[in-house]
Amino acid sequence: GDSVTQTEGQVALSEEDFLTIHCNYSASGYPALFWYVQYPGEGPQFLFRASRDKEKGSSRGFEATYDKGTTSFHLRKASVQESDSAVYYCALGSNMGYKLTFGTGTSLLVDP
Amino acid sequence: AQTIHQWPVAEIKAVGSPLSLGCTIKGKSSPNLYWYWQATGGTLQQLFYSITVGQVESVVQLNLSASRPKDDQFILSTEKLLLSHSGFYLCAWSLDWGGDYAEQFFGPGTRLTVL
Repeated sequence: GDSVTQTEGQVALSEEDFLTIHCNYSASGYPALFWYVQYPGEGPQFLFRASRDKEKGSSRGFEATYDKGTTSFHLRKASVQESDSAVYYCALGSNMGYKLTFGTGTSLLVDP
Repeated sequence: AQTIHQWPVAEIKAVGSPLSLGCTIKGKSSPNLYWYWQATGGTLQQLFYSITVGQVESVVQLNLSASRPKDDQFILSTEKLLLSHSGFYLCAWSLDWGGDYAEQFFGPGTRLTVL
């Protein structure tokens, strides 16, 4: 079945550091890929998506590029801020969009 | 603008007692609706989805059921709660034109504690 792997459970950075959170997927065809962010006690917020090979999604300074060759959709940000501290989820859409499979999440903590 | 409301905000219930959680979407006609469960510190697990009124598809069995009595309402329920039902329940919606690239938008969630 479809699956999403996030290798980093926790990432600790200082403000203005560069961020990379790795996301790899396993699925047939061309599934859509998403990034969501969740703050404590809230529902996840949609960041952006990509649905074609080499397509780049971006929002709020975050970006990721769909790479079918390496089955990856890594999240990057050039300069993180304390307000970026949250849990980030990579997700895969399938079954006509009705099914969304989430990765295990990566907790980002940014020190001021 | 679309708004999604979940009720109650939080519940503390006894094992074996019944449960009913609700979700309402305003400002969007005929959305697709979804229920998710999230264990404390865990990832999101999709439970149900609904494309239209009266039709609900189950994604995973957790001794829960769901119904869609109105176009803008989605209900999650069970007759007997288990300890394992504790967690954060999230309702979500997406556009009804389908396609794998239809992003889902989440509500604020209901925190359930089963004792």
